Amino acid sequence: DVKVTQSSRYLVKRTGEKVFLECVQDMDHENMFWYRQDPGLGLRLIYFSYDVKMKEKGDIPEGYSVSREKKERFSLILESASTNQTSMYLCASSRYRGGYGYTFGSGTRLTVV
Amino acid sequence: DAKTTQPPSMDCAEGRAANLPCNHSTISGNEYVYWYRQIHSQGPQYIIHGLKNNETNEMASLIITEDRKSSTLILPHATLRDTAVYYCIATSPGSARQLTFGSGTQLTVLP
Repeated sequence: DVKVTQSSRYLVKRTGEKVFLECVQDMDHENMFWYRQDPGLGLRLIYFSYDVKMKEKGDIPEGYSVSREKKERFSLILESASTNQTSMYLCASSRYRGGYGYTFGSGTRLTVV
Repeated sequence: DAKTTQPPSMDCAEGRAANLPCNHSTISGNEYVYWYRQIHSQGPQYIIHGLKNNETNEMASLIITEDRKSSTLILPHATLRDTAVYYCIATSPGSARQLTFGSGTQLTVLP
């Protein structure tokens, strides 16, 4: 079964900490994405990447950065975690651009205290 | 991406067909309609997509009106495991902006 694996299901971090959320896919997909999901706001795109070492800002990139050194791995970095970054973070990958066949991970629920 | 409008919630009896509507009146000629669903505490799951012809796969059927301004996702025999939020998205293949998820429809399948 094809998979997108997120390194942690639950994470608790302190305000000001640097936080790394890791995502790995085993499908040789070109495109990878990071979303956050909050009640009442739906899924919002933070960053995406369509190739190794490439990245594009999504709708809410402020406070985040990303790294894609290898095709299969896409990391989301919170440079200095804040309480308003408490959220569910979802990683996804796809072979094609557009809307077809995205595969999502199970999510990381991050709490910043 | 074209704006889509979906009812916030729907109920369906187990074993009956669930028909989920989506309005996308501003859809452009090269935009496809995609459906995803999100079961509680999981990531979204791709269901089906189409351009103008009706489509069917092992999960669902997609009916797109001739003017392409609306569509209906049909789950032919809904089960309790189909309880989820269903998202309708209209976007062009190759869109650099990728998927934009709205608020979707919460489908509750009742026993």
